[in-house]
Amino acid sequence: ILNVEQSPQSLHVQEGDSTNFTCSFPSSNFYALHWYRWETAKSPEALFVMTLNGDEKKKGRISATLNTKEGYSYLYIKGSQPEDSATYLCASIPGGTSYGKLTFGQGTILTVHP
Amino acid sequence: GAVVSQHPSRVICKSGTSVKIECRSLDFQATTMFWYRQFPKKSLMLMATSNEGSKATYEQGVEKDKFLINHASLTLSTLTVTSAHPEDSSFYICSARDSRTPIDTQYFGPGTRLTVL
Repeated sequence: ILNVEQSPQSLHVQEGDSTNFTCSFPSSNFYALHWYRWETAKSPEALFVMTLNGDEKKKGRISATLNTKEGYSYLYIKGSQPEDSATYLCASIPGGTSYGKLTFGQGTILTVHP
Repeated sequence: GAVVSQHPSRVICKSGTSVKIECRSLDFQATTMFWYRQFPKKSLMLMATSNEGSKATYEQGVEKDKFLINHASLTLSTLTVTSAHPEDSSFYICSARDSRTPIDTQYFGPGTRLTVL
């Protein structure tokens, strides 16, 4: 994988459903992976920064895992609520980059229906 | 988390004019800021890295004379789109790197929607 790719592009779930989506990134020369949550007309909000293979991070109902050897990360949302509706972006930083250049995926647009 | 503001949020201008967009870190100092552009249905694309007190570093394919970046203080970076044309219409968003955090978290502004008529 040469670029950062996210799937699915969009997702519609019902309130209370749990959901997950994927971020694939180049596994060679990896330094860090960021997840952001971006609501319309607001600034992207940093959710997680992950660096170590096997990392698992949690923030409330949202959690993320990281596999640096195969180059993927999953974001999970448990018991989705309408306020979770947003675009979820992942971005990787390759190793050796001194200025923290982020390469973004296209995002997964999540819509949670009441 | 830290707060980054961006101004204006929306601007409409005539072709040939220049537009300045400001990015401010409100509660931390940012020696490095980044400018991104988002095309419709595409991901955020890094345009340039703005370094306080020195010249910006532009990504391949980004015209430095078209997109002037100034980072005159630790809390302010500006992007000026010079002689704007309709193809410059886009969503521009900045981020500021908080070097106090362990893995250099970047905090984003809300973005600026530029429309060139």
